[in-house]
Amino acid sequence: AVQLVESGGGLVQPKESLKISCAASGFTFSNAAMYWVRQAPGKGLEWVARIRTKPNNYATYYADSVKGRFTISRDDSKSMVYLQMDNLKTEDTAMYYCTAAANTPMDAWGQGASVTVSS
Amino acid sequence: DIVMTQAPLSVSVTPGESASISCRSSKSLLHSNGITYVYWYLQKPGKSPQLLIYRMSNLASGVPDRFSGSGSETDFTLKISRVEAEDVGIYYCGQLLENPYTFGAGTKLELK
Repeated sequence: AVQLVESGGGLVQPKESLKISCAASGFTFSNAAMYWVRQAPGKGLEWVARIRTKPNNYATYYADSVKGRFTISRDDSKSMVYLQMDNLKTEDTAMYYCTAAANTPMDAWGQGASVTVSS
Repeated sequence: DIVMTQAPLSVSVTPGESASISCRSSKSLLHSNGITYVYWYLQKPGKSPQLLIYRMSNLASGVPDRFSGSGSETDFTLKISRVEAEDVGIYYCGQLLENPYTFGAGTKLELK
């Protein structure tokens, strides 16, 4: 079965950095685009970042709200995707979901990693 | 950015009856390849979102056929026939045509 497991969330202060990870299994990871979507407390879904596959040069895309501060990356040998978050702001507080294009875009979701940015 | 507008924001349904949720995009989601890139997700209370419908009208794996999606280039509908207790949650439409991907604000479905 397709499974995505996030880790690395936590409480950080504004301007600090945090890296969250997502371990994938149950599908051909190297063939799948990967995404991060976040949800602030009591709010809706916000797409954060996307990374394509090797044939597509691992192209990356970001929401304007995180561009220049967040970096998505992947390690196909480990079936892992990462989100490096720098210069964090209080408005980045959210549950961060890892999603995959196992068969079609965003058809698989993890349980989420909670990130709280507060002084 | 493409704006996705959902209506209503909440709906109360008697079990066994049907429900419809509308979603409108600020730009056509019809690609030149003939595919319309609108997706529907359900987030059950306390859970992660799950895919229901992809490319406007295709049922995701494991999703009951009580769910169906339809629409045009900018106006889309999710229909739930014979609503059950397990259908409670927040429904989101999303566009995956172009970056940045965007979602509607969500429609909360409750039971009467």
